[in-house]
Amino acid sequence: DGGITQSPKYLFRKEGQNVTLSCEQNLNHDAMYWYRQDPGQGLRLIYYSQIVNDFQKGDIAEGYSVSREKKESFPLTVTSAQKNPTAFYLCASSRTGGNYYEQYFGPGTRLTVT
Amino acid sequence: KQEVTQIPAALSVPEGENLVLNCSFTDSAIYNLQWFRQDPGKGLTSLLLIQSSQREQTSGRLNASLDKSSGRSTLYIAASQPGDSATYLCAASSTYQGGSEKLVFGKGTKLTVNP
Repeated sequence: DGGITQSPKYLFRKEGQNVTLSCEQNLNHDAMYWYRQDPGQGLRLIYYSQIVNDFQKGDIAEGYSVSREKKESFPLTVTSAQKNPTAFYLCASSRTGGNYYEQYFGPGTRLTVT
Repeated sequence: KQEVTQIPAALSVPEGENLVLNCSFTDSAIYNLQWFRQDPGKGLTSLLLIQSSQREQTSGRLNASLDKSSGRSTLYIAASQPGDSATYLCAASSTYQGGSEKLVFGKGTKLTVNP
């Protein structure tokens, strides 16, 4: 089955620790995205990548870092510099080019930092 | 800068009722308009995608319309069922240089359908 997987589903960390969230897709999509969702809020874009070894900051990139060494994988690191890291994190992927685009979303990772 | 607003924030209806969810956007230069469904603690499921050249899309009991000139989209749900209870998000789409999609999301409408 084609799709996007995120692991783990729930993640707990102590304040001051870095943590890496996994995102893998087997849809052969070039573009991948990371969003953050807070209660009662829409999704906000953290980082996106349109091609391997290239990525761009989204609207709220401070305190986060990413890498794109493989087409299938786009891990997100939440660093200790992120002031309010507790949130629901969603990964997505899409084709690039063509007549229209559609993003496909993973199941999400809920991160709790205490 | 694109801003997307959804009204109402929450809606509770009895089973069987037809209902309309509203979405407005400030920049009419969109590529697509997408409606998503999100169940509690889950990811997003795409419901309907309307290209900028289209005026509506239908899937089963769902119908989405798009009026770019007024910056509005509506999602019509016919004969609502308890299983329709979820948060519905709309997102306005444009493209980044390089061809990938930029989505700007509204905050969603939380729908509860009571048996």
